[in-house]
Amino acid sequence: AQSVTQLGSHVSVSEGALVLLRCNYSSSVPPYLFWYVQYPNQGLQLLLKYTSAATLVKGINGFEAEFKKSETSFHLTKPSAHMSDAAEYFCAVRGGKLIFGQGTELSVKP
Amino acid sequence: GAVVSQHPSWVICKSGTSVKIECRSLDFQATTMFWYRQFPKQSLMLMATSNEGSKATYEQGVEKDKFLINHASLTLSTLTVTSAHPEDSSFYICSASVEWGQGNSPLHFGNGTRLTVT
Repeated sequence: AQSVTQLGSHVSVSEGALVLLRCNYSSSVPPYLFWYVQYPNQGLQLLLKYTSAATLVKGINGFEAEFKKSETSFHLTKPSAHMSDAAEYFCAVRGGKLIFGQGTELSVKP
Repeated sequence: GAVVSQHPSWVICKSGTSVKIECRSLDFQATTMFWYRQFPKQSLMLMATSNEGSKATYEQGVEKDKFLINHASLTLSTLTVTSAHPEDSSFYICSASVEWGQGNSPLHFGNGTRLTVT
């Protein structure tokens, strides 16, 4: 069965600092992986997806993620955090359905 | 493109009444839609898969008679919470994909419905 694990339920960074949100996957077949962001009381917005065309995937709002098969990871990064990045972030893997990780809440300090 | 609209965004109802939530794909047709439930500070839990023109597929532990799903057209799925109780209070989110048959096709989400049962 496919699954994703997000390491760290809460990450806090200073404005302008690097953002690193960790996601490890488990899949017996090449996975389809996604990162979503959720702002309070809203639905989810797609940040980026891994399509196997390239291991480094660029998404919206300056985020990117690197697929590393050897580490079974798909970590999300952003070089410089902005206050507006404060939100909940979900990693997900696609099988017959979309399976979400537990989420990581990102806080950005001024 | 790929906009999913969900209505209402919030609703308060009395215990014992029923509430209907609508999910529409505005600029694409969706043969498959998904309904999720989210508790505070938690991840999304898939409740059911809604299939146009056929019965919904419910996840284990989800009461199909309590959470009625109807997918009558390629752009509309509805979730009806029947005989609602306070424990049904939650955030319900629907989603759809432009081409769910393609493995890398993402889900697009509505803005969710906050249900409060008093």
